[in-house]
Amino acid sequence: AQTVTQSQPEMSVQEAETVTLSCTYDTSESNYYLFWYKQPPSRQMILVIRQEAYKQQNATENRFSVNFQKAAKSFSLKISDSQLGDTAMYFCAFMKRYNTDKLIFGTGTRLQVFP
Amino acid sequence: NAGVTQTPKFQVLKTGQSMTLQCAQDMNHEYMSWYRQDPGMGLRLIHYSVGAGITDQGEVPNGYNVSRSTTEDFPLRLLSAAPSQTSVYFCASGRTGAPYEQYFGPGTRLTVT
Repeated sequence: AQTVTQSQPEMSVQEAETVTLSCTYDTSESNYYLFWYKQPPSRQMILVIRQEAYKQQNATENRFSVNFQKAAKSFSLKISDSQLGDTAMYFCAFMKRYNTDKLIFGTGTRLQVFP
Repeated sequence: NAGVTQTPKFQVLKTGQSMTLQCAQDMNHEYMSWYRQDPGMGLRLIHYSVGAGITDQGEVPNGYNVSRSTTEDFPLRLLSAAPSQTSVYFCASGRTGAPYEQYFGPGTRLTVT
């Protein structure tokens, strides 16, 4: 069975600074996807970034980038130039390739961005 | 294109009552899922469906029923509500093929007293 672990329950960062959220996972699969979802106080789940495991290149989306270390089963999220609107819960999630019906989530990291 | 919609947004039930949480999507997605979110536990899969007429259990299925008679709708039924079912419920949908991601509804906050 797959598991996803987020070891940082809470983090804080000052506006315009950079912060990194950690995620590790355990799987015996070789083909899978990893995701970071953002959940602001509105509770809507918003996809931030996606990484295909077969791609060595780390995914980036504007100020968001990941450090994907497949051998170490690590998938961290870096937020550059943090903004107040980045304040939210962040969830790391795993999906086996071709299994679009099932996501396995970590327990989340609450990020607070201070002015 | 409304995406994934859920009704109601909030609901309060008494122990033993039954109710149905509605979920609909207009993206013609084959896959639909229900998750519950509890404090400190992330989201956990309750039931899922890979197409009309096909459903299966997820990680925490007890106390819930689902059916999928159409591609668009995937209702979640609580047969006899219990306080342990107090949670936020999310419906999600996805399609076969890239980019293999799920789209979430806005959630339903359910309180069972």
